[in-house]
Amino acid sequence: NAGVTQTPKFRVLKTGQSMTLLCAQDMNHEYMYWYRQDPGMGLRLIHYSVGEGTTAKGEVPDGYNVSRLKKQNFLLGLESAAPSQTSVYFCASRMGNQPQHFGDGTRLSIL
Amino acid sequence: AQSVTQLDSHVSVSEGTPVLLRCNYSSSYSPSLFWYVQHPNKGLQLLLKYTSAATLVKGINGFEAEFKKSETSFHLTKPSAHMSDAAEYFCVVSDPYDYKLSFGAGTTVTVRA
Repeated sequence: NAGVTQTPKFRVLKTGQSMTLLCAQDMNHEYMYWYRQDPGMGLRLIHYSVGEGTTAKGEVPDGYNVSRLKKQNFLLGLESAAPSQTSVYFCASRMGNQPQHFGDGTRLSIL
Repeated sequence: AQSVTQLDSHVSVSEGTPVLLRCNYSSSYSPSLFWYVQHPNKGLQLLLKYTSAATLVKGINGFEAEFKKSETSFHLTKPSAHMSDAAEYFCVVSDPYDYKLSFGAGTTVTVRA
């Protein structure tokens, strides 16, 4: 039972490059989330989705886009990476008011 | 809207002594509350959850938490700390009518031998 899988696990980008982070869950969860975690700042919500085809902005959405074309996948895109987006990114999913299940994270460095 | 305050950013204990991590919450409804643990370079793992059943909740690895509505608190305890408990702990609140959850800033636990 894989749970929540994030790819890639590590990535180094140059400023201005673009990339997509993939999150896949096999639990048939309706809700999916993208967070970023920075030292001393806890987890901050970037975007979330409450169902296939729907997305919404979280606390820190600027510079990111998302898509949820299939229920099991939630993609996070950086169109033009900036050093301020260096962070650890976590994907999570949940059903109803149950706890979130988290992936292992993607460590992204932007030079 | 809901919010969470973890009262200690860092807690240091000796191995074998009790651990107490304090969490206060604010919610307009009857919330669900969770504690997560994050070991270095790992994802978040659920320790326990409160979803309006028993107010004393038992979790994994000997942890438990007590929901106190009158004090709006959900403190996490463990009777005897182990070296493997060194990690960061997050208190999380979820309102039933909000898809989003609110995370506390985290408490880093250090365990001294």
